[in-house]
Amino acid sequence: QVQLVESGGGLVKPGGSLRLSCAASGFTFSDYYMTWIRQAPGKGLEWVSYISDTATTIYYADSVKGRFTISRDNVQNSLYLQMNSLRAEDTAVYYCATGRVGPPTHWGQGTLVTVSS
Amino acid sequence: QSALTQPASVSGSPGQSITISCTGTSSDVGTYKYVSWYQHHPGKALKLMIYDVSNRPSGISNRFSGSKSGNTASLTISGLQAEDEADYYCSSYTSINTLWVFGTGTKVTVL
Repeated sequence: QVQLVESGGGLVKPGGSLRLSCAASGFTFSDYYMTWIRQAPGKGLEWVSYISDTATTIYYADSVKGRFTISRDNVQNSLYLQMNSLRAEDTAVYYCATGRVGPPTHWGQGTLVTVSS
Repeated sequence: QSALTQPASVSGSPGQSITISCTGTSSDVGTYKYVSWYQHHPGKALKLMIYDVSNRPSGISNRFSGSKSGNTASLTISGLQAEDEADYYCSSYTSINTLWVFGTGTKVTVL
């Protein structure tokens, strides 16, 4: 079955960096787009970034553009999110999710990122 | 891009039907048929329950149904069961600078 496991979350100071990873299994990774979605404490879900199956199309939410970089490794079946210049408002649970067309059909359980001094 | 508006909580007794609304704008729900609904039991992965307004993925109970009218989409859960107690989020494709916009979330309580 489809499994997505996020890692790399933790506590980081404002202005710092963090790299999230998402290990995928149970499906043909290279046939699926991947996306990061986050949920701040007590808030709703917010789409963060998208990368197509071949990495030729990439999108970012305005709130992270210029600070976050999404990438994928279709050999290692992994998704990444490099987060730089982190701010307090980036504190959230970060989910990786996947689909072929339309909305994400499978999600991971998330990894918590806390930005605090 | 503002989040889609959902009621904070909805409750019902076992066997009853409940409906969760999801209100957006003409830039998302009102224009696109790409409305989906997710179920989230805390600590677990979100689960797709409805896509393209009213379609159920394989394996999802027909107790879950979706519809849309104007800028508002709805999820109805009929024959409410204890296992339905969870948070529910709607989502829509949007034309404004963002791929998907999500709802504020609704906590469903089975009394």
